[in-house]
Amino acid sequence: DQQVKQNSPSLSVQEGRISILNCDYTNSMFDYFLWYKKYPAEGPTFLISISSIKDKNEDGRFTVFLNKSAKHLSLHIVPSQPGDSAVYFCAAGTLIQGAQKLVFGQGTRLTINP
Amino acid sequence: EPEVTQTPSHQVTQMGQEVILRCVPISNHLYFYWYRQILGQKVEFLVSFYNNEISEKSEIFDDQFSVERPDGSNFTLKIRSTKLEDSAMYFCASKTQGNSETQYFGPGTRLLVL
Repeated sequence: DQQVKQNSPSLSVQEGRISILNCDYTNSMFDYFLWYKKYPAEGPTFLISISSIKDKNEDGRFTVFLNKSAKHLSLHIVPSQPGDSAVYFCAAGTLIQGAQKLVFGQGTRLTINP
Repeated sequence: EPEVTQTPSHQVTQMGQEVILRCVPISNHLYFYWYRQILGQKVEFLVSFYNNEISEKSEIFDDQFSVERPDGSNFTLKIRSTKLEDSAMYFCASKTQGNSETQYFGPGTRLLVL
């Protein structure tokens, strides 16, 4: 199942700089997207989401951009902080009535260097 | 802040044994989910549950798996006869209502089948 792909398994960024994490999807039925952050031995923690009617959503240091024509979204973290070091998952779902499953990417391990 | 809790945090079992993984979703949430993550792989959807019945299940969720909401607070995943390949982190998630996007995840149960 390759409906959601994160092609970079890891990313290393200097503290204070911008981190950009990318995600591609193939299923045009997806109409909302979420980013989760995960520390080892913990569950995914919700960060930010975006619906397909928008192209940008911002929450503090986190901004998600959606390019529907390219089926691509990205998460920008600025400025990056050491506590941002974690695995970041992109997930996608469909807003049909009722319960919706999420389809996850493989994750990108972000390391913020002091 | 309300959160999803899961017990136990770790479970070791012998192949062929039954295991029950327990979850307490966020109290006003209506939709409940189980996902799993085999080491080094993606987070995968197993099953969604609403109004005391399964809404959707993946091909992974075969006859060996069952879910139950035995009372007003717990949500359980039972694996009837565990196999080696069931070894994974199992995450419970919940969300508030049909048109809400965000699923909130518990910390997970690490299941090891020997």
